[in-house]
Amino acid sequence: AQRVTQPEKLLSVFKGAPVELKCNYSYSGSPELFWYVQYSRQRLQLLLRHISRESIKGFTADLNKGETSFHLKKPFAQEEDSAMYYCALMGSSYKLIFGSGTRLLVRP
Amino acid sequence: GAGVSQSPSNKVTEKGKDVELRCDPISGHTALYWYRQRLGQGLEFLIYFQGNSAPDKSGLPSDRFSAERTGESVSTLTIQRTQQEDSAVYLCASSPHGGRGGEQFFGPGTRLTVL
Repeated sequence: AQRVTQPEKLLSVFKGAPVELKCNYSYSGSPELFWYVQYSRQRLQLLLRHISRESIKGFTADLNKGETSFHLKKPFAQEEDSAMYYCALMGSSYKLIFGSGTRLLVRP
Repeated sequence: GAGVSQSPSNKVTEKGKDVELRCDPISGHTALYWYRQRLGQGLEFLIYFQGNSAPDKSGLPSDRFSAERTGESVSTLTIQRTQQEDSAVYLCASSPHGGRGGEQFFGPGTRLTVL
């Protein structure tokens, strides 16, 4: 079965602190992993995808097939990073399987 | 250009009534998806349209749910005989080609409340 688990509903950090939003997945094949973000009063949008190996707004995520994880990291959190973050998996059927989301709150 | 649009933004209905939700994808996008998000939960896949291919309806929770798409444009999601558990935000997304790795562009959603 395909599943995405985000164990933290809420992650609260102070500005300038490192951030790691956890994501674990279950999929027997070669998955494609994404992080989507929803800022307050905005629509859901793509933050990054593992195949691009890119850094967006200082965030990076590395696919670890051994640990079946795709954690999202940023070394120094900013207040504008406060948002809902969703990890998502695309298997063989082109539909996205989403985790339940983690709310990141960056305090001043 | 304009992003994905959805209407209405909010819909309140009584249990047992039918509702119709509309999605206008980004022009030229061949793939269109519907998702449902219940309070405090992640998005659940409902249905996927790709060009003229038969839609993937594997996520529809019951036969009360149906969706149509006219060519590569507008899509409507219909829920018949609504139940309170249908209350959720219904999100539509479109993608240029629907292939693996493709970015999905989301609409603002329709918040459905069934009393």
